[in-house]
Amino acid sequence: DAMVIQNPRYQVTQFGKPVTLSCSQTLNHNVMYWYQQKSSQAPKLLFHYYDKDFNNEADTPDNFQSRRPNTSFCFLDIRSPGLGDAAMYLCATSSALGTYEQYFGPGTRLTVT
Amino acid sequence: ELKVEQNPLFLSMQEGKNYTIYCNYSTTSDRLYWYRQDPGKSLESLFVLLSNGAVKQEGRLMASLDTKARLSTLHITAAVHDLSATYFCAVDMSRYGGSQGNLIFGKGTKLSVKP
Repeated sequence: DAMVIQNPRYQVTQFGKPVTLSCSQTLNHNVMYWYQQKSSQAPKLLFHYYDKDFNNEADTPDNFQSRRPNTSFCFLDIRSPGLGDAAMYLCATSSALGTYEQYFGPGTRLTVT
Repeated sequence: ELKVEQNPLFLSMQEGKNYTIYCNYSTTSDRLYWYRQDPGKSLESLFVLLSNGAVKQEGRLMASLDTKARLSTLHITAAVHDLSATYFCAVDMSRYGGSQGNLIFGKGTKLSVKP
C-alpha cells in the first residue's frame, strides 16, 4: 500500500543535541510538508517542499532545517533542541495535480531531556 | 490574516444523538478539509470540500461547505463510541500568500461519545 512513513516513531534527545527526523513516501507526491503539533494544539506548518523548492513559514525558527534529497525522502533537522521543541512532528504529502489533500505519516514524538 | 475557528472545542455527547461541529474562517478560501485525530495518533483525512454547496458523507459523518458564509459543518448522526476523537478543519492558505495546499488548522473539536 502506498504510504507515508516516519522514523523513528519516538525520539529522545538531550537539550542542545542535534536530532534528525526522517520521512519517506511511496505515493510519488511532489509536495512534502513538516508540521509541529504540541499537546492539545492544532498542527502548525513549519515548511514544505514543492518538488525541490523549499518554502519556509515566516515564523519557523532558524533552529529548524529541512532537506529533501529526492522525491521520496524528506528530513527535519533540529540543530539545538530546546525543551520547547518537544512535540509530535508530522510529515505529510500531497499532489499538486489533484485536490492537494494531505496524507499524513504516523508522526515522530520528540522528547527533549 | 486568515483565521479558522471551530466550535465547540469540546463536545460530550451520548450515543445515538446528533450534533454539528462548526468551522468558520475569516476570508475566502478555495478548499476546506476535515481531519480526524485519535489520541497519540496522526491525522486521517475525512473530507475534501472544493466548492460552494459541496456536501460529502461517509457513514455517520456528513460535511458541507458554504463559501459565501465562510462556514463548514461536520454533522454527526446517531453517534457511536468509535467516533470519539479530535476533529480538525483546515483551510487552504493559497489566497493569502501561501502556496497552494498549505493549510491553517482550526484548534480542533475534541469529541467524546458516551454510552
